[in-house]
Amino acid sequence: AQTVTQSQPEMSVQEAETVTLSCTYDTSESDYYLFWYKQPPSRQMILVIRQEAYKQQNATENRFSVNFQKAAKSFSLKISDSQLGDAAMYFCAYRPEYGNKLVFGAGTILRVKS
Amino acid sequence: KAGVTQTPRYLIKTRGQQVTLSCSPISGHRSVSWYQQTPGQGLQFLFEYFSETQRNKGNFPGRFSGRQFSNSRSEMNVSTLELGDSALYLCASSLKTPTALEAFFGQGTRLTVV
Repeated sequence: AQTVTQSQPEMSVQEAETVTLSCTYDTSESDYYLFWYKQPPSRQMILVIRQEAYKQQNATENRFSVNFQKAAKSFSLKISDSQLGDAAMYFCAYRPEYGNKLVFGAGTILRVKS
Repeated sequence: KAGVTQTPRYLIKTRGQQVTLSCSPISGHRSVSWYQQTPGQGLQFLFEYFSETQRNKGNFPGRFSGRQFSNSRSEMNVSTLELGDSALYLCASSLKTPTALEAFFGQGTRLTVV
């Protein structure tokens, strides 16, 4: 069974600075998808970024980028120029190649200081 | 374009009762998945429906059941409620399976069992 581990229960970052959230996963499959979701206090899960395992290039979405290390089964999220609105719970998630079942990590609470 | 709609948003039930939660996916989406979110267990997959058929099921007791209608709307039912069923129940819809790349989440139904 696939597992996702987020080893940082909580992180803090100063506004305008950069922060990296860690995620590791375990799977025996070669093709899969990885996601970072953001859950603000409203509880609405919002997709931040996704990575297809077959792509070597790291995904980037504006201020958000990932460092995908397939061999190490590592998938970290870097947030640049942090903003107050980035404060939320961040979940790393794994999805197999087929089907829509997401396996989530425990989450990391990100606090942004002004 | 309307997002994923979950009703009701909040619910209080008594132990032993049953409850039905509803999820209306984004128009055109045929896959609906359900997740349970609790502080202790995190986000756990309940089941996935596609074209009125259950495609995948998580490790939950038989008290948890679901169905999907021809218009892709989905319901989940929990019978004989227990205190431990108190949670945020999230619904996610995807365009199709197996190649959907993104799941869109609703705002959830907060169930409290007393």
